[in-house]
Amino acid sequence: AQSVTQLGSHVSVSEGALVLLRCNYSSSVPPYLFWYVQYPNQGLQLLLKYTSAATLVKGINGFEAEFKKSETSFHLTKPSAHMSDAAEYFCAVSDRGNEKLTFGTGTRLTIIP
Amino acid sequence: DAEITQSPRHKITETGRQVTLACHQTWNHNNMFWYRQDLGHGLRLIHYSYGVHDTNKGEVSDGYSVSRSNTEDLPLTLESAASSQTSVYFCASSGRVGGGADTQYFGPGTRLTVL
Repeated sequence: AQSVTQLGSHVSVSEGALVLLRCNYSSSVPPYLFWYVQYPNQGLQLLLKYTSAATLVKGINGFEAEFKKSETSFHLTKPSAHMSDAAEYFCAVSDRGNEKLTFGTGTRLTIIP
Repeated sequence: DAEITQSPRHKITETGRQVTLACHQTWNHNNMFWYRQDLGHGLRLIHYSYGVHDTNKGEVSDGYSVSRSNTEDLPLTLESAASSQTSVYFCASSGRVGGGADTQYFGPGTRLTVL
């Protein structure tokens, strides 16, 4: 069964600093990978996804992620944190051939003014 | 604009009662999903449907049921609510059957408390 592991349930960064949220996947074949963001009291919305085109994927709000097969990783980064980035971030994986997503346990990002 | 809505947004019920949570989407999507969100567990899949009259069990389906009589709606029923089912429930939909790369669009969630 596929799974994703998000290292760090809470991450705090200063405003303007680099954001790095970690995600490692477990899959026998290269999967599709997603990052979703959840703002307080809202549903999830897609930040970006990897579907085997370019390994560096750019998403909304200045976020990007790089698929590294050798490290089975799909870490999310943003060069300069903004107060509005405070939210919970979920990494997810799906099999090629079905539409089900398996989510990580999430990382809560706090931005320090 | 197309959207996905859930009702009610908040619900308090008693142990043993039957509860139905509604999910309605206007994307005309084939695929619909129900998740529960709990601290420390992220989102876990309860049931999903790839089209009308199709339903499938997810990772945590015990105590829940769904039925799909049209494209727009996938209601989630708790047959006999238990305190362990206190959670936030999210409905999602996506448009493509097969492939696995399609984006899921999420509703705003229903916060359910079982006393």
